Amino acid sequence: DSGVTQTPKHLITATGQRVTLRCSPRSGDLSVYWYQQSLDQGLQFLIQYYNGEERAKGNILERFSAQQFPDLHSELNLSSLELGDSALYFCASSVAGGDYNSPLHFGNGTRLTVT
Amino acid sequence: AQSVAQPEDQVNVAEGNPLTVKCTYSVSGNPYLFWYVQYPNRGLQFLLKYITGDNLVKGSYGFEAEFNKSQTSFHLKKPSALVSDSALYFCAVRDERNNAGNMLTFGGGTRLMVKP
Repeated sequence: DSGVTQTPKHLITATGQRVTLRCSPRSGDLSVYWYQQSLDQGLQFLIQYYNGEERAKGNILERFSAQQFPDLHSELNLSSLELGDSALYFCASSVAGGDYNSPLHFGNGTRLTVT
Repeated sequence: AQSVAQPEDQVNVAEGNPLTVKCTYSVSGNPYLFWYVQYPNRGLQFLLKYITGDNLVKGSYGFEAEFNKSQTSFHLKKPSALVSDSALYFCAVRDERNNAGNMLTFGGGTRLMVKP
């Protein structure tokens, strides 16, 4: 068990809808990362937050947004969903308080299916 | 920019035989290298990392990896494969010169199949 909790495990929704994915990092970890895993794109980095502030941005669409709250949990919001957004969305956390060598610890992911 | 390549989509090996999963990387500075394993319907699990020092790094479950700077490679190895090692393996890199957070760039993954 990595200590990273993601909810829900599965999400099925229709095109055009909006969903929110939730992540609780490991106790003591200040950084949260969001990754998208799809068959054709592999693991793509979306965004990183550190202690409530956006730290790095990857291939995140404008329809997607994220935030990290004072209790360090994070939410990824996906709107105007398209069929191509169907994927496994992972949250990871790390201490990353200056230690850039620390490994990321991944949750079990949220499987999003857009129909 | 940092990038990782895993040239093999799948590696097949018989149980008890040694296994190698290949990884090459590209960074502008010194690399921080990681291996992760993913079992079905699970998240990625950290196996090992190379930051500096000895080129042979030992990790979880008997896995090890060899860092080769001249070949920009970081191959994952195990002397004797188990059926339970069958999973998807990801190599990842972070460039020390990347000051934009601690994000890792992952390779495309290699599926390891160990047959009894």
